[in-house]
Amino acid sequence: DADVTQTPRNRITKTGKRIMLECSQTKGHDRMYWYRQDPGLGLRLIYYSFDVKDINKGEISDGYSVSRQAQAKFSLSLESAIPNQTALYFCATAVTGANVLTFGAGSRLTVL
Amino acid sequence: RKEVEQDPGPFNVPEGATVAFNCTYSNSASQSFFWYRQDCRKEPKLLMSVYSSGNEDGRFTAQLNRASQYISLLIRDSKLSDSATYLCVVKFGMNTGFQKLVFGTGTRLLVSP
Repeated sequence: DADVTQTPRNRITKTGKRIMLECSQTKGHDRMYWYRQDPGLGLRLIYYSFDVKDINKGEISDGYSVSRQAQAKFSLSLESAIPNQTALYFCATAVTGANVLTFGAGSRLTVL
Repeated sequence: RKEVEQDPGPFNVPEGATVAFNCTYSNSASQSFFWYRQDCRKEPKLLMSVYSSGNEDGRFTAQLNRASQYISLLIRDSKLSDSATYLCVVKFGMNTGFQKLVFGTGTRLLVSP
């Protein structure tokens, strides 16, 4: 099994729908992140969490919310999806004090 | 100016060639530097950290030039399996105490037989 698991891997939805992307990890890492990747823009940070109950906005948090239900789970929600949220979304984890991010396999979201 | 800039490529090289990528960063307070590799439609994976003294891992050599604010990645004896996008990543501290990782858009490498 993957260390960092994202579900769903692919999702097509319509404008205005609520979408949740889920991330779970078995690495025991305390830090978790959500990024989105768009062609020509690189990875951009949406939200991050250093522990359960700790939630912080990244550089592009508008239109998104997150929940850290347990140390191993970090979910990303789009309350009302819009087409410019079409992107590849990555969850990542890290240990405090370490520089390395471990990424999930990605969730490809298409909003029509 | 972008915080981290890379030539998007693609760099097309034959097997066995040596190829080098550069990455420039704008924040002189940047603390740590990395190269990640990303295969098509896959997640990024750490290739190597970049240390001030330079470091080598097999066919891969990373260099840091703080004065000119760039890092480089050299790949010797290119293999077909090296075909991927190479992401430059720079970490620097913010006033909030949060250490921000900034990803470049990546340089695409295509190694041909």
